[in-house]
Amino acid sequence: AQSVTQLDSHVSVSEGTPVLLRCNYSSSYSPSLFWYVQHPNKGLQLLLKYTSAATLVKGINGFEAEFKKSETSFHLTKPSAHMSDAAEYFCVVSTLNTGFQKLVFGTGTRLLVSP
Amino acid sequence: GAGVSQTPSNKVTEKGKYVELRCDPISGHTALYWYRQSLGQGPEFLIYFQGTGAADDSGLPNDRFFAVRPEGSVSTLKIQRTERGDSAVYLCASSLQGADTQYFGPGTRLTVL
Repeated sequence: AQSVTQLDSHVSVSEGTPVLLRCNYSSSYSPSLFWYVQHPNKGLQLLLKYTSAATLVKGINGFEAEFKKSETSFHLTKPSAHMSDAAEYFCVVSTLNTGFQKLVFGTGTRLLVSP
Repeated sequence: GAGVSQTPSNKVTEKGKYVELRCDPISGHTALYWYRQSLGQGPEFLIYFQGTGAADDSGLPNDRFFAVRPEGSVSTLKIQRTERGDSAVYLCASSLQGADTQYFGPGTRLTVL
């Protein structure tokens, strides 16, 4: 079975400072890992995904994540936060052993950005 | 192009009533998914359609929940005898094929009084 643990329910940063959102995963198979962002009253948007190619994955809006198998982690980072980054972020694991991408979401991390 | 759309955006109903939630996937996407997001939680998988058939319905919580996709495009999630615990945001997603990136709609917020 697959699962993800998002280690922080809330993260607060100041605009212009780095962002770190932590995620640990558990998977019996070679996982695909994703980060999705959810802005209020908007649909989930894919930020980036890891599918066993390069371990450092670059996404949209300056975000990136590094897959570390030895630590079973897939933390999301951004060098400099922007006010528009304030949203809910979900770490997601899936495998194709069921024949499709069956996504398993974490409980989310709310990112707060102050001026 | 148009993304995934869901109607209604909000639905308020009374306990025991029947509701239908509609999803219009991205044109040409053969795979369609339903998820449920309860307050303070991440979305949970309900059902996956490949074309017209439900290929995996292991996430449906009980037999009050049913979904159809008769022509391989629009899908309807049907909930019978609604309960207060069914209150949640119901999300629909679609992808080109089952192995591809999923694109989510804005969701339908269901409130059962």
